[in-house]
Amino acid sequence: DQQVKQNSPSLSVQEGRISILNCDYTNSMFDYFLWYKKYPAEGPTFLISISSIKDKNEDGRFTVFLNKSAKHLSLHIVPSQPGDSAVYFCAASGGGNEKLTFGTGTRLTIIP
Amino acid sequence: NAGVTQTPKFQVLKTGQSMTLQCAQDMNHEYMSWYRQDPGMGLRLIHYSVGAGITDQGEVPNGYNVSRSTTEDFPLRLLSAAPSQTSVYFCASTKSETQYFGPGTRLLVL
Repeated sequence: DQQVKQNSPSLSVQEGRISILNCDYTNSMFDYFLWYKKYPAEGPTFLISISSIKDKNEDGRFTVFLNKSAKHLSLHIVPSQPGDSAVYFCAASGGGNEKLTFGTGTRLTIIP
Repeated sequence: NAGVTQTPKFQVLKTGQSMTLQCAQDMNHEYMSWYRQDPGMGLRLIHYSVGAGITDQGEVPNGYNVSRSTTEDFPLRLLSAAPSQTSVYFCASTKSETQYFGPGTRLLVL
């Protein structure tokens, strides 16, 4: 049972445009959400997070939106740059537990 | 400050062989975990530890053992490797709900 779902395995976006990556979750106990970025042959690196008490968190070109009623979050990258080409994982934790549940990832390709 | 380090980077094993994947962190984090990454499966939790002397099972623990004798080290042991354990393994340590990952160990079991 996949509790965190990333339904788009891949996404291609023109450089300079907005990239929108989506994530859905099913577990109501999740109250903290994170996005990780992964380059080939490297470990995932933390990108941005959001607590369930917020509906938006912004850090430079990256913004995460949380819709609790829909159990949906999204990562917006604007403007997209070639260095943003990577696999992006959505992750969630909750219930006072530091265990993370990851989605299956979305491969983002930025086209120059 | 090296963060999270993992050795080896790459390993080939024959079915039935045993090995230990090493993981160390120098950030004094209490919480550490091991994941495996397989195509189309994302990152799946194998085992985790909330502090020295304490370990627990994750989502896919079968075939793996862990121990946590110090805060810094969290080795993962494969007692009898199987082809199904061919994967990329990531160790992570956690501070304030953010996990910091090592560079990974790519394991091939023939």
